[in-house]
Amino acid sequence: GQNIDQPTEMTATEGAIVQINCTYQTSGFNGLFWYQQHAGEAPTFLSYNVLDGLEEKGRFSSFLSRSKGYSYLLLKELQMKDSASYLCARWEAAGNKLTFGGGTRVLVKP
Amino acid sequence: DVKVTQSSRYLVKRTGEKVFLECVQDMDHENMFWYRQDPGLGLRLIYFSYDVKMKEKGDIPEGYSVSREKKERFSLILESASTNQTSMYLCASGFIMGPNYGYTFGSGTRLTVV
Repeated sequence: GQNIDQPTEMTATEGAIVQINCTYQTSGFNGLFWYQQHAGEAPTFLSYNVLDGLEEKGRFSSFLSRSKGYSYLLLKELQMKDSASYLCARWEAAGNKLTFGGGTRVLVKP
Repeated sequence: DVKVTQSSRYLVKRTGEKVFLECVQDMDHENMFWYRQDPGLGLRLIYFSYDVKMKEKGDIPEGYSVSREKKERFSLILESASTNQTSMYLCASGFIMGPNYGYTFGSGTRLTVV
């Protein structure tokens, strides 16, 4: 694989903030995706970062540091429907290859 | 909206059978991917293709082959199904030069080999 590491599981309270970290191998790296996957469903695209910095999309933000091989997904104002797995994926342009980490299961409690 | 359609939602096959999983996309995407997803192991890349008749091995190609005769269709073939190939199989597609638009996944095929 491409050594993509993210925590297995996180629990947070409704209305709170949760940050999901992802580290990856930097050689050949071209961009970083985040996907959301509800149980029994296909992953759906959340964000794509290619430059350093923070990209904000409503309650969800994604950050990338290319030099550190590090990204995070920030979920604000958590809602019960945000309970899902969040997948970090590394894109390698040279091989047109998209490789995923193991996913972080987020459980939102009332 | 981009549609990625996988031919079957659930399949049950016997050990040793040849199995075809079909994936069709309707957005003229160059890239297509096949993954399997298993608890605790995440999504693992089996094969991918960036053009008709082109194919590249992913991280776990053993026991699988693929076919891309037309741009919109990418087939995954299990030459001789085994019980360790019981899994959820997910197809995805996207543009080569536009990854910022994301890759779109099909609904998945849950294959059980008995």
